[in-house]
Amino acid sequence: GENVEQHPSTLSVQEGDSAVIKCTYSDSASNYFPWYKQELGKRPQLIIDIRSNVGEKKDQRIAVTLNKTAKHFSLHITETQPEDSAVYFCAARDYKLSFGAGTTVTVRA
Amino acid sequence: SQTIHQWPATLVQPVGSPLSLECTVEGTSNPNLYWYRQAAGRGLQLLFYSIGIDQISSEVPQNLSASRPQDRQFILSSKKLLLSDSGFYLCAWSVRLGGGYEQYFGPGTRLTVT
Repeated sequence: GENVEQHPSTLSVQEGDSAVIKCTYSDSASNYFPWYKQELGKRPQLIIDIRSNVGEKKDQRIAVTLNKTAKHFSLHITETQPEDSAVYFCAARDYKLSFGAGTTVTVRA
Repeated sequence: SQTIHQWPATLVQPVGSPLSLECTVEGTSNPNLYWYRQAAGRGLQLLFYSIGIDQISSEVPQNLSASRPQDRQFILSSKKLLLSDSGFYLCAWSVRLGGGYEQYFGPGTRLTVT
């Protein structure tokens, strides 16, 4: 089955700086790669996703890149703000979503 | 628009007691449905998924079971809870859209087994 690895497990950034989270996957058949943001005590929320026929996607301050050859994808958050503090999960889908272990992002004011 | 409900929101149960958590989805037909568990400070563990009524796959052997008596209803059950069953239980749904499978989570049930 699919195996998704996510790094780093924790990330602390100064407000206004950029944050980058990286994930690798094992199954070349995976074709859909979403990212979720989970605030403390809340449900995970889908924030951006990318399909295997696209290399990059942006939505305001967040962007995701995909390298199918290397089987890795990344989340980039620019101009970080305190409200970006949360746990972020990447996932990859072959017939179901497999999640990474999560990255706790802390934005220091 | 689609909405997913879970209840109860919180639950405190003694070890050995039964469990029933319910999830319903509105605004869509024939969704894929999922149960996840999240232990405190941990990741998302897929427990069960269902592609249709009475079609359920188990991902992890445990003392939990799932049922889907109606198209948009998914139930998680246990006959006897263990301490290790404590956690945040999340129901999720997905429908195929444009070749992808966007998946959305319900608000969750926080279960504490004492």
